[in-house]
Amino acid sequence: IAGITQAPTSQILAAGRRMTLRCTQDMRHNAMYWYRQDLGLGLRLIHYSNTAGTTGKGEVPDGYSVSRANTDDFPLTLASAVPSQTSVYFCASSGVDGYTFGSGTRLTVV
Amino acid sequence: AQSVTQLGSHVSVSEGALVLLRCNYSSSVPPYLFWYVQYPNQGLQLLLKYTSAATLVKGINGFEAEFKKSETSFHLTKPSAHMRDAAEYFCAVSSGGGFKTIFGAGTRLFVKA
Repeated sequence: IAGITQAPTSQILAAGRRMTLRCTQDMRHNAMYWYRQDLGLGLRLIHYSNTAGTTGKGEVPDGYSVSRANTDDFPLTLASAVPSQTSVYFCASSGVDGYTFGSGTRLTVV
Repeated sequence: AQSVTQLGSHVSVSEGALVLLRCNYSSSVPPYLFWYVQYPNQGLQLLLKYTSAATLVKGINGFEAEFKKSETSFHLTKPSAHMRDAAEYFCAVSSGGGFKTIFGAGTRLFVKA
């Protein structure tokens, strides 16, 4: 089934640790995105990529980095996690029909 | 610049009643407009989209939305609510296709038996 695969599904992480959230798509979409979803704040864009080899900053990029080595993969890295990064993270890609979202990664930083 | 405002963070209806979720947008160019639904512990799924064709757009699960340029609105409706419609709904606007879409804050729909 075509779509977005995110891993892990959930994670509890100690503050100060490094963590990479994985995202893979099989739709050959050029554009990919990382959002965080927090209660009352909706979806906030962290980083995006228009195409392989390029990335850009979204609304809340601080503390996060991304890479886009190929079309399919778009990992999100937290270099040194802080409790305020506790959230649900969604990876998405977009084509002519709109966005396709992954099922999310629930991250708790303690 | 584009923006989208969803009126009401929570809406509660009885099963069988009309569902109306409000969305107003701002865009300096002809917009593409979307409604997404998010069920608990899942990602967002596309319900329907407007891309400058018919102003009344029909989506999945009996939902539809009407683009009204004069009111800068794209309200989502369903004639008769079902319990399974309980979810969070997001309105979104884009200047072209799906790229760099701006999402609203979401409206949580509760359906009472």
